[in-house]
Amino acid sequence: GENVEQHPSTLSVQEGDSAVIKCTYSDSASNYFPWYKQELGKGPQLIIDIRSNVGEKKDQRIAVTLNKTAKHFSLHITETQPEDSAVYFCAATASGGSYIPTFGRGTSLIVHP
Amino acid sequence: NAGVMQNPRHLVRRRGQEARLRCSPMKGHSHVYWYRQLPEEGLKFMVYLQKENIIDESGMPKERFSAEFPKEGPSILRIQQVVRGDSAAYFCASSPLGGSYNEQFFGPGTRLTVL
Repeated sequence: GENVEQHPSTLSVQEGDSAVIKCTYSDSASNYFPWYKQELGKGPQLIIDIRSNVGEKKDQRIAVTLNKTAKHFSLHITETQPEDSAVYFCAATASGGSYIPTFGRGTSLIVHP
Repeated sequence: NAGVMQNPRHLVRRRGQEARLRCSPMKGHSHVYWYRQLPEEGLKFMVYLQKENIIDESGMPKERFSAEFPKEGPSILRIQQVVRGDSAAYFCASSPLGGSYNEQFFGPGTRLTVL
């Protein structure tokens, strides 16, 4: 089955800096890669996703890149703000079967004002 | 349009009791997924249901755990004879469609504590 590795587990940055979270996956059949943000005491919320036919996608301060050959994808947050502090999860969904996403273990992002 | 609803938000049970977790998907969504989250870990898939059907239960423990999504009413995750190791946050997600590109919308979770 799919295996998703996510790094780092904790990331501490100063407000205004950029933050990068990286994930690798094992199943070459995976073709959908969502990123979720989870604030304390809440459920995960989708913030951006990318399909395997695209190499990069951007939404304001958030961007995701995908390298299918290397089987890794990354989340980039620019001009970080304290409200970006949360746990971020990457996931990979393989085509075929019941399309259940496999999640990384999460990255706790702390943005210091 | 209300989001995914889960109740209760917090549930405390003693060892050996039963826990029932409820999930009402977003309006118009017929696909429901249950996940378990342990502290500092990612979301682990448990079961995927459509109305009156279990589609994939490959992540569900073989004993004590069951799930249903009846024609009417919420989806229920039931844990019988709970043990301390069942303590975790349980999240439900729903989507309007199945398939590879389906966005899943998560509820706020039920935090189960087993004493």
